[in-house]
Amino acid sequence: KAGVTQTPRYLIKTRGQQVTLSCSPISGHRSVSWYQQTPGQGLQFLFEYFSETQRNKGNFPGRFSGRQFSNSRSEMNVSTLELGDSALYLCASSKGGWEGNTEAFFGQGTRLTVV
Amino acid sequence: AQSVTQLDSQVPVFEEAPVELRCNYSSSVSVYLFWYVQYPNQGLQLLLKYLSGSTLVESINGFEAEFNKSQTSFHLRKPSVHISDTAEYFCAVSPDKLIFGTGTRLQVFP
Repeated sequence: KAGVTQTPRYLIKTRGQQVTLSCSPISGHRSVSWYQQTPGQGLQFLFEYFSETQRNKGNFPGRFSGRQFSNSRSEMNVSTLELGDSALYLCASSKGGWEGNTEAFFGQGTRLTVV
Repeated sequence: AQSVTQLDSQVPVFEEAPVELRCNYSSSVSVYLFWYVQYPNQGLQLLLKYLSGSTLVESINGFEAEFNKSQTSFHLRKPSVHISDTAEYFCAVSPDKLIFGTGTRLQVFP
């Protein structure tokens, strides 16, 4: 059974640009969550999508947005990139029942570097 | 609101020694508890979880954690570590979304 796939693995962007990251969850999983990991802030929750609807949202500015497609694949977009957006972005997939993320499976992440 | 505290940012230990990684949480509602492990340049892997039932949970590679409601703790232990256990360990709680601690870097020396 294929795991969670995130593309691309590495990305370098310039300040002010925008970027789109992709996540394909495990087959049959309907929930996709996104996390930002940095050395200073650790792992911070961005948002969660379930059946194409945003179900939970963290405390990030509106420059961070996401969406989920009917096949459960999800994309995350960051506009007007800042140097502080440099981070490892992790996607997690789960079945997404009422238990929420009781068992979440993570992708290998996308390493975004903003220069 | 929920929060997780991992007091030790780094834990150095020699191979075959026992280790305990501490995790305390704060929550006004019932939560599920998890330990995840992250190897360099990798995503997170679920190590073990507490959802309900027995307060002692075990992983397949020798780790165990005990849920202590009165002390709001979920410490991770292993009686004898291996070099391959060197990694970052994250404790997390989840009423609905995962909230992580800041992580503990376990460094096992030969």
